[in-house]
Amino acid sequence: AQTVTQSQPEMSVQEAETVTLSCTYDTSESDYYLFWYKQPPSRQMILVIRQEAYKQQNATENRFSVNFQKAAKSFSLKISDSQLGDAAMYFCAYTGPSGGSNYKLTFGKGTLLTVNP
Amino acid sequence: KAGVTQTPRYLIKTRGQQVTLSCSPISGHRSVSWYQQTPGQGLQFLFEYFSETQRNKGNFPGRFSGRQFSNSRSEMNVSTLELGDSALYLCASSNQPGPYNEQFFGPGTRLTVL
Repeated sequence: AQTVTQSQPEMSVQEAETVTLSCTYDTSESDYYLFWYKQPPSRQMILVIRQEAYKQQNATENRFSVNFQKAAKSFSLKISDSQLGDAAMYFCAYTGPSGGSNYKLTFGKGTLLTVNP
Repeated sequence: KAGVTQTPRYLIKTRGQQVTLSCSPISGHRSVSWYQQTPGQGLQFLFEYFSETQRNKGNFPGRFSGRQFSNSRSEMNVSTLELGDSALYLCASSNQPGPYNEQFFGPGTRLTVL
């Protein structure tokens, strides 16, 4: 089974500063997708950013960007200019190729991000 | 456009009972997935339905089952409840099947088994 590891259970950042959340994964597949989902307190979980493994270019969505290191099986999330609304639990997730046994979202345990004013 | 809705939001049951949870996807979405979230195991995929057919299933015992109706609404059933089934059950919808597509999550149903 594929595993996704988030080694930082909790992180904190000052408002307007930059923070990086770490994620590593274990897979023998070459084709897969990686995601960062955000679960704010008492609110619905939403997709932050998505990366396709065959794309070498790192995905970016406004203040959110990833550092995808395929050989190292690393997928970190960088949040620039942190805002109070960024405070949430962040989950890294992996899915394998269509039709395979890992064609489902496998989540890490999450990183709780606190943003200090 | 209304988001994903789940009912009930909270539920208390006793061991051995069964429970049915409901999920209404975003209008136009035909894929519905279910996840179990616990402090110990984290978020785990239960199953996915698309056009009334189960497309994929996670590693859960047969006590966990689901179905999807022609209007894309989905229900999840857990029979013979165990203490370990206490969890937040999340439903997510998508316009296409498969985890590649953005999942839109509901608020969840908090199930407590006593």
